[in-house]
Amino acid sequence: EAQVTQNPRYLITVTGKKLTVTCSQNMNHEYMSWYRQDPGLGLRQIYYSMNVEVTDKGDVPEGYKVSRKEKRNFPLILESPSPNQTSLYFCASSLSIGSGARSNTGELFFGEGSRLTVL
Amino acid sequence: DAKTTQPNSMESNEEEPVHLPCNHSTISGTDYIHWYRQLPSQGPEYVIHGLTSNVNNRMASLAIAEDRKSSTLILHRATLRDAAVYYCILRGVYSDSSYKLIFGSGTRLLVRP
Repeated sequence: EAQVTQNPRYLITVTGKKLTVTCSQNMNHEYMSWYRQDPGLGLRQIYYSMNVEVTDKGDVPEGYKVSRKEKRNFPLILESPSPNQTSLYFCASSLSIGSGARSNTGELFFGEGSRLTVL
Repeated sequence: DAKTTQPNSMESNEEEPVHLPCNHSTISGTDYIHWYRQLPSQGPEYVIHGLTSNVNNRMASLAIAEDRKSSTLILHRATLRDAAVYYCILRGVYSDSSYKLIFGSGTRLLVRP
């Protein structure tokens, strides 16, 4: 089954304790992205990656790091979490719009979300 | 970056058509218009997208204004399962072929039985 898998789904941590939220997709997608969702603010992009070893900042990258060493994985790293990073996080993936396939709608496939609380 | 504007909420009766509007007056010529929806406690899911022409799929129809400054997502017969937050999104493309998706705040659709 085609899917985007995030772990953990729920996490409560304390300020300053490094954590990583993993994201894995099994659709051979080039493009992957992280979003955070906060009440009243909708979905905001944190980082995105066009392909392996290619990452770029989204709209709210401060306090986050990412890496793309393999095509299927795109972990989100919080080196020193703070309470303002308490949020619902979504990972997403899609084919690159440059893939040329007629069936490529550029559809983003989202994971089920990771709810993070930083105390 | 081009932004979208949607009403905060809309209501509909079950089995009636629903028209969800979206304004994107600063859209550029290469921006695709995408719609996603987010059911409670789930990640967003793709609904439909278009560039200039109206589009139909099994889930919905997308009507795009001639000047592309607005669009409307049409659910032909709303069901209770369609109650969700609907996002109108512009997919911008940059010169290096990278792109980003800009989510607005979405429209919360309530469906009355």
